[in-house]
Amino acid sequence: AQKVTQAQTEISVVEKEDVTLDCVYETRDTTYYLFWYKQPPSGELVFLIRRNSFDEQNEISGRYSWNFQKSTSSFNFTITASQVVDSAVYFCALSGVTGNQFYFGTGTSLTVIP
Amino acid sequence: SAVISQKPSRDICQRGTSLTIQCQVDSQVTMMFWYRQQPGQSLTLIATANQGSEATYESGFVIDKFPISRPNLTFSTLTVSNMSPEDSSIYLCSVRQGRGYGYTFGSGTRLTVV
Repeated sequence: AQKVTQAQTEISVVEKEDVTLDCVYETRDTTYYLFWYKQPPSGELVFLIRRNSFDEQNEISGRYSWNFQKSTSSFNFTITASQVVDSAVYFCALSGVTGNQFYFGTGTSLTVIP
Repeated sequence: SAVISQKPSRDICQRGTSLTIQCQVDSQVTMMFWYRQQPGQSLTLIATANQGSEATYESGFVIDKFPISRPNLTFSTLTVSNMSPEDSSIYLCSVRQGRGYGYTFGSGTRLTVV
């Protein structure tokens, strides 16, 4: 069965602190894709990153970085030097190779305190 | 990536009435997807809408309650019928960017039923 678990429901950090959002997934597929989305208070979903199962290279984009480890079925997301604008709900998601099924985690609500 | 215009962005409706949500995509897409996000929850797929055929509904969602139209490759509507307060949610439409490329989402419709 496909499943995405985000064990952290809510996190609060003080501005400029680093924060890591955890994502653990389950899948029987050998080829799959992992995603992170950001949902600010306005409600829209903003795509952040896609990673395929054959690429375990970590990625950094500005203050954002992602750590993909197949051995532990994890795809964690780190924000460095957090800012108030990072306050949002962050969703990790999983899809199979066809992309017709998309599984979201329950989300982690991040609050950055000024 | 595709740009999706979704409207209305929010509405407050009386119980027992119906609301139709519209999604317009700036490019032709085969499948459009409708999601519901109940307060504080993750996203749940309601149905997949293919042009020229009946929508495919997920378990727990029925056509009488959530009729969907897909008259062409760039447009779809979702109607929430005979609304009750339990239907208060954010409703989002989305399109797939391509195999494994994830989904682009509309800005969402925040529905409150009173």
